[in-house]
Amino acid sequence: GESVGLHLPTLSVQEGDNSIINCAYSNSASDYFIWYKQESGKGPQFIIDIRSNMDKRQGQRVTVLLNKTVKHLSLQIAATQPGDSAVYFCAGVISGGSYIPTFGRGTSLIVHP
Amino acid sequence: DGGITQSPKYLFRKEGQNVTLSCEQNLNHDAMYWYRQDPGQGLRLIYYSQIVNDFQKGDIAEGYSVSREKKESFPLTVTSAQKNPTAFYLCASTPVPVGNQPQHFGDGTRLSIL
Repeated sequence: GESVGLHLPTLSVQEGDNSIINCAYSNSASDYFIWYKQESGKGPQFIIDIRSNMDKRQGQRVTVLLNKTVKHLSLQIAATQPGDSAVYFCAGVISGGSYIPTFGRGTSLIVHP
Repeated sequence: DGGITQSPKYLFRKEGQNVTLSCEQNLNHDAMYWYRQDPGQGLRLIYYSQIVNDFQKGDIAEGYSVSREKKESFPLTVTSAQKNPTAFYLCASTPVPVGNQPQHFGDGTRLSIL
């Protein structure tokens, strides 16, 4: 029979706007976090990472914020471009354990020209 | 350029057939991983290997098998016991267990049932 996939949360923005993508994690022992970008039909690409001893880390046009109190991190993309359209997801790791990351479901970012 | 190569890009499986997905890396990474991705879902771990000739089951290992005879290769076999194999399969690697390094991913193999 027909199968229907789950719909990802979607964020639609206009080109040039700033985008904020959010991620919540459940395990307070997680101490290393990674953001990936996945374009259609391709594998995830590393964007930026942050360790739990930091609250903020900046890259080129991207900033990750970590709030350990509420177990939340966000990815901010400045001056969003059509090439930024993709699925973005976060991963959390507990160092000292198996080091296997736990991945979120992802958010689909759509950038309108 | 170093990277991870997955092949084939598309694969079709007949009823009762085993199929093998290839994953090769020339990054000299120690650890390799196989994930399954279904539409609208996150990555789920099938198997991982942190050293040659050793591997561990992930969260959804049933119906799958792997081998790690060489550092650069980590093939995944989808057996006939896996009743719902249609998915996007991703292979990843890290130089050391990923506590302090992000994973590098291949571009995936899309498996469908004929």
